[in-house]
Amino acid sequence: NAGVTQTPKFQVLKTGQSMTLQCAQDMNHNSMYWYRQDPGMGLRLIYYSASEGTTDKGEVPNGYNVSRLNKREFSLRLESAAPSQTSVYFCASRGSTGLGQPQHFGDGTRLSIL
Amino acid sequence: GENVEQHPSTLSVQEGDSAVIKCTYSDSASNYFPWYKQELGKRPQLIIDIRSNVGEKKDQRIAVTLNKTAKHFSLHITETQPEDSAVYFCAASSNNNNDMRFGAGTRLTVKP
Repeated sequence: NAGVTQTPKFQVLKTGQSMTLQCAQDMNHNSMYWYRQDPGMGLRLIYYSASEGTTDKGEVPNGYNVSRLNKREFSLRLESAAPSQTSVYFCASRGSTGLGQPQHFGDGTRLSIL
Repeated sequence: GENVEQHPSTLSVQEGDSAVIKCTYSDSASNYFPWYKQELGKRPQLIIDIRSNVGEKKDQRIAVTLNKTAKHFSLHITETQPEDSAVYFCAASSNNNNDMRFGAGTRLTVKP
């Protein structure tokens, strides 16, 4: 099992360009998450999807959109990239059986916006 | 919403010494507290977690303690080794995990 797979691993964009970050998990998890990680600020939740067909805003959703394509895939889109969106983006998934289940993270996408 | 504070932001210890990282949370409804280790350029990986129905959990050299009354929890690493060097994150969430909040991280350096 690959776990959580993110593509691409690295990307450089110009201000105003758009792009979609892809995430897929093979653990049959219901919930999926997108975080951004900035120095000294830990991980901040952008959007999440508690189950297929649903999405909700997290702590820092402005400038992003998401799509839960199916149970496996959850994509993050930047419609008009801004330098403030330079960050490392992590996708995570979680099973929903039982209370307090850990989130499993992908390897991250390092995004630079010039 | 939940707010998690983590201290210290950096910690340097000598190999073999113990390391303690502390976190406080604000939401009394939080009942799940995982700890993640992130090596440079890698993904965060779960190292230990605790649920609110227990006060302490151990796994070899790692232990976590929880004080629900005071709303704080701590990570203890004993007999530290150079490979323990990494950034450690605490987190807190309630039942559905969709409100999980992370601390800002502690950069632990273990000097050989």
